Amino acid sequence: DVKVTQSSRYLVKRTGEKVFLECVQDMDHENMFWYRQDPGLGLRLIYFSYDVKMKEKGDIPEGYSVSREKKERFSLILESASTNQTSMYLCASSRILQTNYGYTFGSGTRLTVV
Amino acid sequence: DAKTTQPTSMDCAEGRAANLPCNHSTISGNEYVYWYRQIHSQGPQYIIHGLKNNETNEMASLIITEDRKSSTLILPHATLRDTAVYYCIVYTGTASKLTFGTGTRLQVTL
Repeated sequence: DVKVTQSSRYLVKRTGEKVFLECVQDMDHENMFWYRQDPGLGLRLIYFSYDVKMKEKGDIPEGYSVSREKKERFSLILESASTNQTSMYLCASSRILQTNYGYTFGSGTRLTVV
Repeated sequence: DAKTTQPTSMDCAEGRAANLPCNHSTISGNEYVYWYRQIHSQGPQYIIHGLKNNETNEMASLIITEDRKSSTLILPHATLRDTAVYYCIVYTGTASKLTFGTGTRLQVTL
């Protein structure tokens, strides 16, 4: 079964900490995405990547950065965590042409910043 | 990508067909209609997609009107496990960002 795996299901961090959220996919997908989901706001795109070492800003990139050193791995970095970054974070991947399955999502990381 | 409009919530009795509508009146000729669902505390899951023709798979059926301005996702025999938020999304399927709306919250009841 194809998978997108997020390293942590739940995470609690302190304000000001540097936080790494890791995502790994085993489908050889070219595209990878990071979303955050908040009640009443739906899913919002933070960053995405079309290829290794490539990244594009999504709708809400402020306060975040990303890294894609290998095709299968896409990391989201909170340089200095703040309480307003408490959220559910979802990673997804897809082929360039999403003609069959569209996006495949991970199970999410619920991050709490205290 | 074209905008979609879905009802906020719907109820369905277990064993009955759940018909979830979606309006996408500004859809372009090269845009597909995709449906995803999100069960509580999980990531969204792909259900089905189509361009012009009706589609069916093991999970659901997708009916697209001839003018492509609206579509209906049909879960033929809803179960309690189908309780979820269902998202209708219109996009080209190429490497562009996927924008989720707020979806329809389907509650399946006994």
